[in-house]
Amino acid sequence: DQQVKQNSPSLSVQEGRISILNCDYTNSMFDYFLWYKKYPAEGPTFLISISSIKDKNEDGRFTVFLNKSAKHLSLHIVPSQPGDSAVYFCAASEGATGTYKYIFGTGTRLKVLA
Amino acid sequence: DTAVSQTPKYLVTQMGNDKSIKCEQNLGHDTMYWYKQDSKKFLKIMFSYNNKELIINETVPNRFSPKSPDKAHLNLHINSLELGDSAVYFCASSPNPGSAEQFFGPGTRLTVL
Repeated sequence: DQQVKQNSPSLSVQEGRISILNCDYTNSMFDYFLWYKKYPAEGPTFLISISSIKDKNEDGRFTVFLNKSAKHLSLHIVPSQPGDSAVYFCAASEGATGTYKYIFGTGTRLKVLA
Repeated sequence: DTAVSQTPKYLVTQMGNDKSIKCEQNLGHDTMYWYKQDSKKFLKIMFSYNNKELIINETVPNRFSPKSPDKAHLNLHINSLELGDSAVYFCASSPNPGSAEQFFGPGTRLTVL
């Protein structure tokens, strides 16, 4: 049972344009969400997070939007740069339990074309 | 200076063998994790330790045994390796169990022949 889904395995975007990566979840108890970025042969690195009490969080070129009623979050990268080419994982957790056990999606491979 | 390191990076072994993967973090974190990323790219948590105590133990075969000799180390020992154990195993750490951000190691690619 896949509680966190990233339905687009890959995405190509032109440099300078907006990249939008999507993530859907099924567990309404999830209250904390993160995005990780992963380059080949490296471990995932934390990018940005959002709590369920917010609907938007911004950090530089990266913005995460949360739509709780739709159980959907998205990561926007503006403007996209070639160095953003990587696999992006979203993850969700029931933080209220006190232990952040994250459920990860299967990732979306972003390719930013120069 | 690597924050979370794993050894070995690659491990190729025969079915039925026993192997260990080591993980060390120099971030001073209290909490460490093991994740498995299978061929379908699912990244699933296996175990978590906080101050050397087991706090998360997912449905993992008991052939997998984590060991935390101290806060900075969390090793994974696998007995009687099976073909289905082939995957990339990631170690991670966080300041405490309530920390949202986890810091991942580079992964160990295990291939069981």
